[in-house]
Formats: sequence, structure tokens, C-alpha cells
Amino acid sequence: EVQLLESGGGLVQPGGSLRLSCAASGFTFSSFAMSWVRQSPWKGLEWVSAISGSGGNTYYADSVRGRFTISRDNSKNTLYLQMNSLRAEDTAVYFCAKLTYERNIERFDVWGQGTMVTVSS
Amino acid sequence: DIQMTQSPSSLSASVGDRVTITCRASQSISYSLNWYQQKPGKAPKLLIHAASNLLSGVPSRFSGSGSGTDFTLTINSLQPEDFATYFCQQSFNTPRTFGQGTKVEIK
Repeated sequence: EVQLLESGGGLVQPGGSLRLSCAASGFTFSSFAMSWVRQSPWKGLEWVSAISGSGGNTYYADSVRGRFTISRDNSKNTLYLQMNSLRAEDTAVYFCAKLTYERNIERFDVWGQGTMVTVSS
Repeated sequence: DIQMTQSPSSLSASVGDRVTITCRASQSISYSLNWYQQKPGKAPKLLIHAASNLLSGVPSRFSGSGSGTDFTLTINSLQPEDFATYFCQQSFNTPRTFGQGTKVEIK
């Protein structure tokens, strides 16, 4: 069974840092691009970042570029999101998601259960 | 960024009803449109990809249509387990963007 399990969320002060992890199982992790998507009541679902299967290509939303870094360790089947200079508006549930491409169309076909990040003093 | 607008934002329906949700993109996205279902406290779940392709295991009462800027998700004969929030999402351009969601509630 394909599974994604996030961890690392919590309460952090503005300006602080946090690293999220997403442990993958049930599929050949290195063969698939992966993504982080966050959800908050005020912004809804928001794509944050993505990374290719090899890790050689990374993509970011403008709202997090320069503050967040996505990475992966294919030997550990784990995806990461390093979040620095956190702001109140980064407060959200963060989901990792597996990406599948078919006929050049991408979809988030498997999601983790999410981890809550709260940025507050 | 491509803006995705869903309508309605919420609706009330009864078991057995036919429900239609619309998603409009701010520019043409061809068939690069996916639909997700989300229940409270859970992650979104992919239902339909590439506008009209039902994911394996998703009941056939769900269907999707459309291309370009206008898309529709239809649920025929609504079942109790279908009460949830539905989101559309475009994968034509980066950043990927989602609609604001349509909450389907029990009448």
C-alpha cells in the first residue's frame, strides 16, 4: 500500500525554523516527483514546492521562495521541507503528496495525513 | 498565476440527488484539471484527473467534463459518504493552483 507519513510540525515563533519530513512507502520513491501543499482556513489549498525524482530540479511558490528548501533522500525514502524565517501566514496544515504524470498532465495522486505548523509568539 | 473559481461555494442536497459543481480557470488550461474530495480532518483524495478520467476505485457516479476554461464535476445519485468538500486544481502552469472548494452538505 502506498503511504506517506509527515512529521515535524509544531509551534514556532515568528522568524524561527522548522523541518518537516515525509516518509514514503509502498512505491519506488526515487521514480516520482514529490510536492508539499499546505492548507489554511484563510488561503485554502496552496501549492508550496515540488522536487523531481532525482532531486535535481526544485520549484517553489513565490510566497516561500528564499525561505523554504525542499529536498529528498532517496536512500531513506524521505522528503523534507526546511522552513526558515517563518511568518504567521505560514501557519497551516502541511501535506506531502506524490506526483504522477500521464499524457503530460500532473496530478497529486497520494497525500499524507498532514502535519500542523503554527507560527505564533 | 492561474486563478481557479468554483461555484457554488456550498450546496445542500439530499441522498439520491444529482449534484453539479463548476470550476472556471482564468485562462485556458486545456485538459489539465483534477478534482479532489476532502472530508473533515483528512487529506484531499484524488477523484478525477485530466478533466474526465475517473481514478481506479472511484465510484462511477462521479464524472468530470470540460476543457479550456470551464469544467464540471457531477455526482449522480448522491450517497451519504459523498458529503464532503470538493476542490478543482490546475496542472497547466506553475504554480499549481486550487479552487476555493465546494462544500456539499446534507439537506
